Amino acid sequence: DAKTTQPTSMDCAEGRAANLPCNHSTISGNEYVYWYRQIHSQGPQYIIHGLKNNETNEMASLIITEDRKSSTLILPHATLRDTAVYYCIANAGGTSYGKLTFGQGTILTVHP
Amino acid sequence: DTGVSQDPRHKITKRGQNVTFRCDPISEHNRLYWYRQTLGQGPEFLTYFQNEAQLEKSRLLSDRFSAERPKGSFSTLEIQRTEQGDSAMYLCASSLNPDRSDTQYFGPGTRLTVL
Repeated sequence: DAKTTQPTSMDCAEGRAANLPCNHSTISGNEYVYWYRQIHSQGPQYIIHGLKNNETNEMASLIITEDRKSSTLILPHATLRDTAVYYCIANAGGTSYGKLTFGQGTILTVHP
Repeated sequence: DTGVSQDPRHKITKRGQNVTFRCDPISEHNRLYWYRQTLGQGPEFLTYFQNEAQLEKSRLLSDRFSAERPKGSFSTLEIQRTEQGDSAMYLCASSLNPDRSDTQYFGPGTRLTVL
């Protein structure tokens, strides 16, 4: 898996967009970018993933640069319940056995 | 709820005892993964199954650890002669292959405390 680099922590005001960056400069052509989050004492929650194109679902949007060396997870209207550790992971998915390598992640704190 | 379930959610045991955890994956998911997470760290891969076959084991999985998935459905993770260093959250995830992206969905975890 390609190494990913994320800021250790970020703050966001409730109701504002939270933009979480991730660098993955050594990502391979067959590696997806996955985002998970983990709220204290719970299992990781899948958020979104993408390969080349930008993706959007009911939880978030994923913006991947054209060279695929970085990406940004966007939570459009952050709430207090979005306070969590956010993990960005590069993984080849079904073309390998899909082991996820978690880093330290970004601690996102949403303030009232 | 048709998500991944794990049982028990919490386990407290004394050093030297054996413990067993169970994971029920999402129905029809053929891949099942076990991870371990210690305080302040991200989850670390332990092992994975495709159907009933155990295809990969991490070096973290010492010989005191054994995992099974006898009928390709639920899985068990057993730790023999527990040590205080085994205290952690044990997470199970499942995925549907050949979904090309192989997205993994995690259960709530089993928190083990070894006294």
